[in-house]
Amino acid sequence: GAVVSQHPSRVICKSGTSVKIECRSLDFQATTMFWYRQFPKQSLMLMATSNEGSKATYEQGVEKDKFLINHASLTLSTLTVTSAHPEDSSFYICSALKGGTNEKLFFGSGTQLSVL
Amino acid sequence: GEDVEQSLFLSVREGDSSVINCTYTDSSSTYLYWYKQEPGAGLQLLTYIFSNMDMKQDQRLTVLLNKKDKHLSLRIADTQTGDSAIYFCAERQGGKLIFGQGTELSVKP
Repeated sequence: GAVVSQHPSRVICKSGTSVKIECRSLDFQATTMFWYRQFPKQSLMLMATSNEGSKATYEQGVEKDKFLINHASLTLSTLTVTSAHPEDSSFYICSALKGGTNEKLFFGSGTQLSVL
Repeated sequence: GEDVEQSLFLSVREGDSSVINCTYTDSSSTYLYWYKQEPGAGLQLLTYIFSNMDMKQDQRLTVLLNKKDKHLSLRIADTQTGDSAIYFCAERQGGKLIFGQGTELSVKP
């Protein structure tokens, strides 16, 4: 089956630093990738839709200057949390859309971000 | 609105059937999904159903869709302790998925 690799799986950083999370589709090309955020015991909230070669589309309430998304190739999207603060601590999950007659979304394994 | 709603907890005994329910709002949704999330892990697609179907069966999993009531359910037959996880239903709106809050399934031996 299709695989989406997300890295790192866990990161701890100091307040004020930036953290980059990578999402790769390993065996298919993904023109569209999605970034979600999940707080403990809560649902996944869509942050943004990342389209290869164009600017990401952010959901209402998500700061685009805070959460920088780059989708420079058909197999890689990155999310950079800039100037991270403790309230940014969360579980971030990416997903990649595999097109074709039977479109499917495949998810990465998630990144647990802890900001001290 | 975009709400997808699920009950938060379900507890069953090993060997029993589990039924997890979900209601959604967008009648134009094309696909509806069930995902499983184990602690600290990403989401695993369990199954999905196209909106013109009423039922889909896949081994121990049965999905029922009532389009009129916008109600989706997931039945797990012969529930095992390894099925303990959070189960999310999701509806597809355009290119994005809208998730429910997740139902935490606890399976007791």
